[in-house]
Amino acid sequence: AQSVTQLDSQVPVFEEAPVELRCNYSSSVSVYLFWYVQYPNQGLQLLLKYLSGSTLVKGINGFEAEFNKSQTSFHLRKPSVHISDTAEYFCAVSPLGGAQKLVFGQGTRLTINP
Amino acid sequence: DGGITQSPKYLFRKEGQNVTLSCEQNLNHDAMYWYRQDPGQGLRLIYYSQIVNDFQKGDIAEGYSVSREKKESFPLTVTSAQKNPTAFYLCASGGNTEAFFGQGTRLTVV
Repeated sequence: AQSVTQLDSQVPVFEEAPVELRCNYSSSVSVYLFWYVQYPNQGLQLLLKYLSGSTLVKGINGFEAEFNKSQTSFHLRKPSVHISDTAEYFCAVSPLGGAQKLVFGQGTRLTINP
Repeated sequence: DGGITQSPKYLFRKEGQNVTLSCEQNLNHDAMYWYRQDPGQGLRLIYYSQIVNDFQKGDIAEGYSVSREKKESFPLTVTSAQKNPTAFYLCASGGNTEAFFGQGTRLTVV
């Protein structure tokens, strides 16, 4: 079985500041890793994903994440945030092969202050 | 336009009633999923289906039922046995390496 822990439930930052949202996971098998963003009362949109290869993954809206296998982490970063980045962010994992059964973390609410 | 359509966006249910949430996809995906979202708890898997006429329980299937008679459709019924049905429900479909989500249905028990 897999589990995902997002270490911060809320992260407030000022506009144009850098941000890191932390995600650790546990799994007995190899996994794919994902970050999704959710704006209020909407579905989830894929930000980026790690399937294989380079451990630094770049996504949409200037976000990137780094897969660290030894620390079982997949932290999300952005060097300079904008008001429009205010949203909830979810880290998720899925075991390789088989059904795409995503296991989600509890979410991190990112609030950007002017 | 390819995607996943959930309806209705908002749904109100009286206690003791069954309600059905609709989910349709035109992405030609075999697999479809239902998740429940509650504040501070992330998304939890209710049911999933990998192929027509087959589906499996997820982590919180009690009080819910599904059917998969067509590849494009995966409706979720919230039965009266679900003791706390007020939540945001998300449908997804996916290939092997990515899931696509609908816009969600917010169900409120009144």
